[in-house]
Amino acid sequence: GAGVSQSPSNKVTEKGKDVELRCDPISGHTALYWYRQSLGQGLEFLIYFQGNSAPDKSGLPSDRFSAERTGGSVSTLTIQRTQQEDSAVYLCASSHGSPLSKNIQYFGAGTRLSVL
Amino acid sequence: KQEVTQIPAALSVPEGENLVLNCSFTDSAIYNLQWFRQDPGKGLTSLLLIQSSQREQTSGRLNASLDKSSGRSTLYIAASQPGDSATYLCAAPGDSSYKLIFGSGTRLLVRP
Repeated sequence: GAGVSQSPSNKVTEKGKDVELRCDPISGHTALYWYRQSLGQGLEFLIYFQGNSAPDKSGLPSDRFSAERTGGSVSTLTIQRTQQEDSAVYLCASSHGSPLSKNIQYFGAGTRLSVL
Repeated sequence: KQEVTQIPAALSVPEGENLVLNCSFTDSAIYNLQWFRQDPGKGLTSLLLIQSSQREQTSGRLNASLDKSSGRSTLYIAASQPGDSATYLCAAPGDSSYKLIFGSGTRLLVRP
């Protein structure tokens, strides 16, 4: 597609439910990133994929968070047993995998998650 | 550990003014620095990427500079317009080139 696509754009869920957020990167981009933007916290890195593998999961806030990427394309971020503090905008970005020094990250519009 | 700071947090100017947004970073061993724009309820739009070997990058009315030695970048907006109203974020690579560390942003309002 023309840009990074995320779905849903908005998600309202009840505390304790599981949610799945989807990201379709720009075609041909081998690198994919998830970030979270919370009120008062700014933008924070969650996880990075190169192809289907995730060399860096250091930003995932707890073991309730997981992500996968299949076919080197679509990625899903799953949050289990959601808590109110998980409410945030989840942003996905993609980039050409290399050269790293020219690694412009292109962002999607985000998924706004509200946990009631 | 990379830390990125942006000042001011908010800025309100009349239309037509030239303005400067500031970004500072603590780890000067960066590959590049990127400036983004975020409109309310929207994702991030990349404005400019400055490589470490460059001092300036220009796109239309926007000019970004990078001074690694002082740990600073500035975004200059010429002849500001109401449509420039948005939050402007700068980001530098963290402990790896792919992990962007963002500033908290400058919320700009250009008054007609």
